[in-house]
Amino acid sequence: KNQVEQSPQSLIILEGKNCTLQCNYTVSPFSNLRWYKQDTGRGPVSLTIMTFSENTKSNGRYTATLDADTKQSSLHITASQLSDSASYICVVSSDSWGKLQFGAGTQVVVTP
Amino acid sequence: GAVVSQHPSWVICKSGTSVKIECRSLDFQATTMFWYRQFPKQSLMLMATSNEGSKATYEQGVEKDKFLINHASLTLSTLTVTSAHPEDSSFYICSARDSLVRVGNEQFFGPGTRLTVL
Repeated sequence: KNQVEQSPQSLIILEGKNCTLQCNYTVSPFSNLRWYKQDTGRGPVSLTIMTFSENTKSNGRYTATLDADTKQSSLHITASQLSDSASYICVVSSDSWGKLQFGAGTQVVVTP
Repeated sequence: GAVVSQHPSWVICKSGTSVKIECRSLDFQATTMFWYRQFPKQSLMLMATSNEGSKATYEQGVEKDKFLINHASLTLSTLTVTSAHPEDSSFYICSARDSLVRVGNEQFFGPGTRLTVL
């Protein structure tokens, strides 16, 4: 069973609208959680990284939250743009030098 | 900063031939690099961890004789797919960890290489 579960698997939103992606994890111990954006045919690009003590972090129109007690994270996209169409991957690290545990990703499609 | 490049970006080869993919950290030194494989609509799967100057560590189920990894310098790791077959067709992505960063396990990903074996 995957230790990082993402939902929804995919979603379609209208340009200009907001959306929220979810990530639940069971990875333990926990070091940090990252959200990546992966365009089709490209490598992942880091959006945010949060450690245990951080509850929220923003990067432009992207805002990530983390609840380390419930082991849940979310990524909120504000005022979506067509260029936001991509796969968003939640990645959890168990320690400073440990392997990364990847979620399956949420495929976001922004339509005009 | 923290740029990782891969070459080639795509390659098509005949079944039975070998293909080499390069991964370079352009503006930092990387003691450790990672090789991932990604099939359509799936997430990245770690194949092996490459450490400069030593043998790579392969994940369970990954054939070390088929996927040869060499990490000869602090900025270059190569993955050679030997005797490639159509089932090896995939998107191969490398990542590199900055040797000077001691916390966070930050990995910087390359743009990926699309391998198609005919």
